[in-house]
Amino acid sequence: GENVEQHPSTLSVQEGDSAVIKCTYSDSASNYFPWYKQELGKGPQLIIDIRSNVGEKKDQRIAVTLNKTAKHFSLHITETQPEDSAVYFCAGGNTGTASKLTFGTGTRLQVTL
Amino acid sequence: NAGVTQTPKFQVLKTGQSMTLQCAQDMNHNSMYWYRQDPGMGLRLIYYSASEGTTDKGEVPNGYNVSRLNKREFSLRLESAAPSQTSVYFCASSSRQDHTEAFFGQGTRLTVV
Repeated sequence: GENVEQHPSTLSVQEGDSAVIKCTYSDSASNYFPWYKQELGKGPQLIIDIRSNVGEKKDQRIAVTLNKTAKHFSLHITETQPEDSAVYFCAGGNTGTASKLTFGTGTRLQVTL
Repeated sequence: NAGVTQTPKFQVLKTGQSMTLQCAQDMNHNSMYWYRQDPGMGLRLIYYSASEGTTDKGEVPNGYNVSRLNKREFSLRLESAAPSQTSVYFCASSSRQDHTEAFFGQGTRLTVV
């Protein structure tokens, strides 16, 4: 089955700096890679996703890149703000089969003033 | 528009007790899911329902049963709770047939003593 590894487990950046979180996956059949943000006491919230037919996707201050050859994808947050502090999860899987979406173990991002 | 609503938010059970976690969504989504979240392990799929009247096992179904009561509601039942089922449980739903873009509820924190 799919195996998704996520690094780092914790990340501290100063406000205004950029943050990068990286994930690798093992199953070359995976074609969907979402990123979720989870604030304390809340459920995960989808912030951006990418499919295997594109290499990069941007939405304001966040972007995701995908390298299918190397089987890795990354989340980039620019101009970080205190409200970006949360736990971020990556996931990978094959669309059409819910049981095949595998989540990473999460990155706790802290944005300091 | 409440989205995905889970009840209860917190629950303590004794080993061997049974309980049902409730989930309802008001977004008219076809697909619904139950995940568990354990420290250091990310989210793991327990069961999912691609449409009203259908349910399928996910990655970790043992010890659980589910019921898709109608299009809105998807319940998770623990018949005989075990300490290993101590976790945070999340319900999610999606409007997409390929199971992407899932919306999560706020979670139920369950402790089995």
